[in-house]
Amino acid sequence: DVKVTQSSRYLVKRTGEKVFLECVQDMDHENMFWYRQDPGLGLRLIYFSYDVKMKEKGDIPEGYSVSREKKERFSLILESASTNQTSMYLCASSEGADQNYGYTFGSGTRLTVV
Amino acid sequence: AQKITQTQPGMFVQEKEAVTLDCTYDTSDPSYGLFWYKQPSSGEMIFLIYQGSYDQQNATEGRYSLNFQKARKSANLVISASQLGDSAMYFCAMRDAYNFNKFYFGSGTKLNVKP
Repeated sequence: DVKVTQSSRYLVKRTGEKVFLECVQDMDHENMFWYRQDPGLGLRLIYFSYDVKMKEKGDIPEGYSVSREKKERFSLILESASTNQTSMYLCASSEGADQNYGYTFGSGTRLTVV
Repeated sequence: AQKITQTQPGMFVQEKEAVTLDCTYDTSDPSYGLFWYKQPSSGEMIFLIYQGSYDQQNATEGRYSLNFQKARKSANLVISASQLGDSAMYFCAMRDAYNFNKFYFGSGTKLNVKP
């Protein structure tokens, strides 16, 4: 069974900490994405990547950065965590050719910044 | 700009009945794709159904069907014979016309199936 795995289901971090959220996919997908999900706002795209070492800003990149050193791994970095970054973070991947099937998502990381 | 609107924050349905979840979209592009995802309490987003803008027939996948009304820019999800396991958040999404790997999501509808 194909998988997108997010390393943590729940995280609690302090304001100002540097936070790493890890995502690994085993489908050899070219494209990977980070979204945040907030009640009433749906999913908003933070960053995405088409290839190793390639990244593009999504709709809400401020306060975040990403790293993709290997095809299967896409990391989201909160440089200095703030309380307004408390949210559910969802990683997804897709194969460009499989447009009819959309994304494959991970189970999410619920981050609380205190 | 592209936009997805889901106007029903929460809905209840009796087990074994059918339910329709509303979705309207806004785009000026002739080519686009529409998707529905289910998110149970476990958090994982599960792909349900896809409709292409040029598809002549409404999409169906088992108990899920998509009522696609192009002129009204609506793509409602119909779940027939609701089951308790259908209780979840449901998101409508549209694929970006120029970037096939970029999606826009609605705010979601929380469906509760009552026994």
